[in-house]
Amino acid sequence: DQQVKQNSPSLSVQEGRISILNCDYTNSMFDYFLWYKKYPAEGPTFLISISSIKDKNEDGRFTVFLNKSAKHLSLHIVPSQPGDSAVYFCAASAPGTGANNLFFGTGTRLTVIP
Amino acid sequence: AAGVIQSPRHLIKEKRETATLKCYPIPRHDTVYWYQQGPGQDPQFLISFYEKMQSDKGSIPDRFSAQQFSDYHSELNMSSLELGDSALYFCASSLGLSNTEAFFGQGTRLTVV
Repeated sequence: DQQVKQNSPSLSVQEGRISILNCDYTNSMFDYFLWYKKYPAEGPTFLISISSIKDKNEDGRFTVFLNKSAKHLSLHIVPSQPGDSAVYFCAASAPGTGANNLFFGTGTRLTVIP
Repeated sequence: AAGVIQSPRHLIKEKRETATLKCYPIPRHDTVYWYQQGPGQDPQFLISFYEKMQSDKGSIPDRFSAQQFSDYHSELNMSSLELGDSALYFCASSLGLSNTEAFFGQGTRLTVV
């Protein structure tokens, strides 16, 4: 059973506009959420994280929002750049497990059109 | 900044052979995780080490073993390889065990023929 879901397999956005990638989870024990970015033929690289005590975390052009009541988080990229084109994975973990038990979503392929 | 280094990047082995994958964590990181990602699948956690001791075990087959050395690098040893072992193997490292970001290497693509 997929505990972390990314329902949009792909997303296309014009350069300079906002990209919004969504992620839903089912396990209310999850308290730490991460976004990874993956280019073809490379491993996923960590992008940004948020713990459940916060509802927003910003890092440059990237902002992650967490809505615990809806079990939903989103990644906003503003402004989107062609170099952002990649597959984005949402991941979640439960208390005390760190990266041992990261539950990944199936990814959303973002294409930023120049 | 230094990242997680995995070697080799690509490996081709025949069935029933053995393979050794290596992972060099980010300097000062004391925790290493191994993941396996089959074609079209999510990365699956295999095993992790903290301070050279195994800390958690996931879906790692008995034919596989791993260890973390005194310099914190880790090796994943795979024996009696099967066609189904063909996958991308990721190593990640972090500082500490709980609720920390794990930084992934670029992976080793193993093809068993």
